[in-house]
Amino acid sequence: DIVMTQSPDSLAVSLGERATINCKSSQSVLYSSNNKNYLGWYQQKPGQPPKLLIYWASTRESGVPDRFSGSGSGTDFTLTISSLQAEDVAVYYCHQYYSNPQTFGQGTKLEIK
Amino acid sequence: QLQLQESGPGLVKPSETLSLTCTVSGGSISSSSYYWGWIRQPPGKGLEWIGEWIGSLYYSGSTYYNPSLKSRVTISVDTSKNQFSLKLTSVTAADTAVYYCVRHDLNGTDFWGQGTLVTVSS
Repeated sequence: DIVMTQSPDSLAVSLGERATINCKSSQSVLYSSNNKNYLGWYQQKPGQPPKLLIYWASTRESGVPDRFSGSGSGTDFTLTISSLQAEDVAVYYCHQYYSNPQTFGQGTKLEIK
Repeated sequence: QLQLQESGPGLVKPSETLSLTCTVSGGSISSSSYYWGWIRQPPGKGLEWIGEWIGSLYYSGSTYYNPSLKSRVTISVDTSKNQFSLKLTSVTAADTAVYYCVRHDLNGTDFWGQGTLVTVSS
């Protein structure tokens, strides 16, 4: 299984400041035939299902604000929120769908400082 | 707009079988290129992929399961009702979780049901 490790486990950021969450996979999730990383980022608020924010490591899902961005390739990935808003308080997960079983990071809890 | 809705008992006794159904509206589960599956989340914990069925005429009937659950899990499909189901046998307290039915494709898992809490307790 591909192990996904996120850092930090929790993060407190001031409103309007940048938030950065990291995700590392135990093996590459880059598919060489199409040069795409099979890595997604999700936001989960209390009592709600996760919501897809980013797929292919850096492509924003339709309707997701442009303050959310994803970067990285191979085994190291980052989710950045450029200017934190109050509604961004949530748990964020990375997810590899390169190979089965699909696996998720343990989650990063983002709070307001 | 695609919608997924889980249904089934919220309480299951230890050693019995957990059975859930996902009803899909706003789209056909027989559509190619999509996978229809289940993910669970124990209370206060992270996400675990259970398995999925590929909704393609070419790969119809293909299912993929998490090896950690494979001996206990079955995902089945009723295309006439636009539903797919999960059965998990010999449940224990460790199977207590919110169970989500989901749609997945090469862009990630883009549609989720609201989730249903299943508690395993006598």
